[in-house]
Amino acid sequence: DIQMTQSPSSLSASVGDRVTVTCRASQGIGNYLAWYQQKPGKVPELLIYAASILQSGVPTRFSGSGSGTDFTLTISSLQPEDVATYYCQKYNSAPRTFGQGTKVEVK
Amino acid sequence: QVQLQQWGAGLLKPSETLSLTCAVYGGSFSDYYWSWIRQPPGKGLEWIGEINQRGSTNYNPSLKSRATISVDTSKNQFSLRLSSVTAADTAVYFCSRVGIPWGQGTLVTVSS
Repeated sequence: DIQMTQSPSSLSASVGDRVTVTCRASQGIGNYLAWYQQKPGKVPELLIYAASILQSGVPTRFSGSGSGTDFTLTISSLQPEDVATYYCQKYNSAPRTFGQGTKVEVK
Repeated sequence: QVQLQQWGAGLLKPSETLSLTCAVYGGSFSDYYWSWIRQPPGKGLEWIGEINQRGSTNYNPSLKSRATISVDTSKNQFSLRLSSVTAADTAVYFCSRVGIPWGQGTLVTVSS
């Protein structure tokens, strides 16, 4: 089975900083990669699908890129409301594995 | 907009069977896989498995021997059964489909 590895596992940045989270697949998955945001105590919400397509209603400071095995989630200007854990998920085929998550905090 | 609403027992004893159901409102089952995902307290997300309207299923190999996902298209519902639960199965369970909001989550606690 394909493994999904996120890095870093956590980060702390200042408001306004550019933040990058990386997700690596152990084998190629095309662009079948989604990013979710989970705020504390809440249900995960879809941010990006097909590696780079922003879900409706998601702020444009979020962006995604990559294909094959290496993917990136970028927050162009970190805001206090972006404090959350971010997960990538492959959905090209079953099992639709998640990365282990990246916890983003504000300094 | 398609919405998911889930329900099921929240407290189980070891060796019992977990049973959860998810109803789909505002849309049909057509052309999608419908998934179950869980999250142990303080931990990450784990994909359990999925089913489509024809009843074709896929499972996480780590749970395949204990998990059963079924569908009732007449009610627009799909269900999860997980047998022989242990404390390690304590988690919030979510139903989901790609591109729509997940179900609200059900905390299932396994304790004697």
